[in-house]
Amino acid sequence: KAGVTQTPRYLIKTRGQQVTLSCSPISGHRSVSWYQQTPGQGLQFLFEYFSETQRNKGNFPGRFSGRQFSNSRSEMNVSTLELGDSALYLCASSPRVAGGSDTQYFGPGTRLTVL
Amino acid sequence: AQKVTQAQTEISVVEKEDVTLDCVYETRDTTYYLFWYKQPPSGELVFLIRRNSFDEQNEISGRYSWNFQKSTSSFNFTITASQVVDSAVYFCALSEARGKTSGSRLTFGEGTQLTVNP
Repeated sequence: KAGVTQTPRYLIKTRGQQVTLSCSPISGHRSVSWYQQTPGQGLQFLFEYFSETQRNKGNFPGRFSGRQFSNSRSEMNVSTLELGDSALYLCASSPRVAGGSDTQYFGPGTRLTVL
Repeated sequence: AQKVTQAQTEISVVEKEDVTLDCVYETRDTTYYLFWYKQPPSGELVFLIRRNSFDEQNEISGRYSWNFQKSTSSFNFTITASQVVDSAVYFCALSEARGKTSGSRLTFGEGTQLTVNP
């Protein structure tokens, strides 16, 4: 079974621009979560989508948004990029058998650099 | 609020040594789940193990073993006879129990950089 895929793998943007990252979950997985990883803040939860609905949200500004499509694929968008948004963005999928106990499987991440 | 602490920022060992990575967690829930992930230089988080709060049985998988102690809120990870390929950042994570319609999230520790030297 193919793993979680994320595109693009690397991205360079300038301040003020917006960016869209894409995530395809493992086949059959219905939940997609997004995390941001930075050297200073570590791994932080952004949001989770299940059945095209945001189920949980981390403590990030409204510039960070996402959506999920009917095929469970997900995108996240960051508008008005700031230097501090430079990070590794990781997507994870889970079967969503039950909230909390599911194991989340991660993709390779998208490395975003904001200049 | 839940919290995970990995006090060891970096550990360096020589190949074949045993090494233990510490993880201490905080949660108000009585039902929760603990995880360990490995992050090699490529960046992808690789799932290693999941443990339920109501199951304190220790687990061994090859050279890996995990010691879960609710009394001390710890979930430590031991690698026996370490190898160079074990070099990576290891993360401990916590997830609280939620219903099917509720969201879920992982709270991660800061990570421990393990370097195994030949």
